[in-house]
Amino acid sequence: NAGVMQNPRHLVRRRGQEARLRCSPMKGHSHVYWYRQLPEEGLKFMVYLQKENIIDESGMPKERFSAEFPKEGPSILRIQQVVRGDSAAYFCASSGTSDPSTDTQYFGPGTRLTVL
Amino acid sequence: TQLLEQSPQFLSIQEGENLTVYCNSSSVFSSLQWYRQEPGEGPVLLVTVVTGGEVKKLKRLTFQFGDARKDSSLHITAAQTGDTGLYLCAGGSKVQGGKLIFGQGTELSVKP
Repeated sequence: NAGVMQNPRHLVRRRGQEARLRCSPMKGHSHVYWYRQLPEEGLKFMVYLQKENIIDESGMPKERFSAEFPKEGPSILRIQQVVRGDSAAYFCASSGTSDPSTDTQYFGPGTRLTVL
Repeated sequence: TQLLEQSPQFLSIQEGENLTVYCNSSSVFSSLQWYRQEPGEGPVLLVTVVTGGEVKKLKRLTFQFGDARKDSSLHITAAQTGDTGLYLCAGGSKVQGGKLIFGQGTELSVKP
């Protein structure tokens, strides 16, 4: 399966715990994007990364959220001290060319985070 | 900030009917992507259009990108129950960098 992989598919955390979401892009893709889909809302951009670089984090909350895409391994979206409002589906997408304004983004199956 | 207005938000039709979903903006986009999302899954790409006036067909689905690249439409001919799902349009532009701007989605229900 050469598609975008995300794990875990479901994650349950208690308030105050940390959540780590992983994304492996499609083979050959070096651009990774994270989006959040809140209940009854559309998909909202969070962060755009290339290997070892954060390109655009304008959609990411300033506190408790961080993202990385190391030279080796998957991209990680980390949420510290989770609160109930963080409950959502988090999607990762990847693309392969150097013109992200026109390149197609392929999405993973998502991680559904539930904060108790 | 660029916005995409997608309509209708909900659509319930009988099998065999035709339908059109619209995606409109006051801004120009470099590309427009259409996705379909099933409950509990991620968006699955249907098509990407990048040229003003472009028309692409995918079996019974026809996608059009407006001449000015500010709007797009998805037309389904002779809908089937298997077409039921959430349809999303998403626009990319150099102004927005790599991020996609999503419409609110159209929840389509096709009844037998």
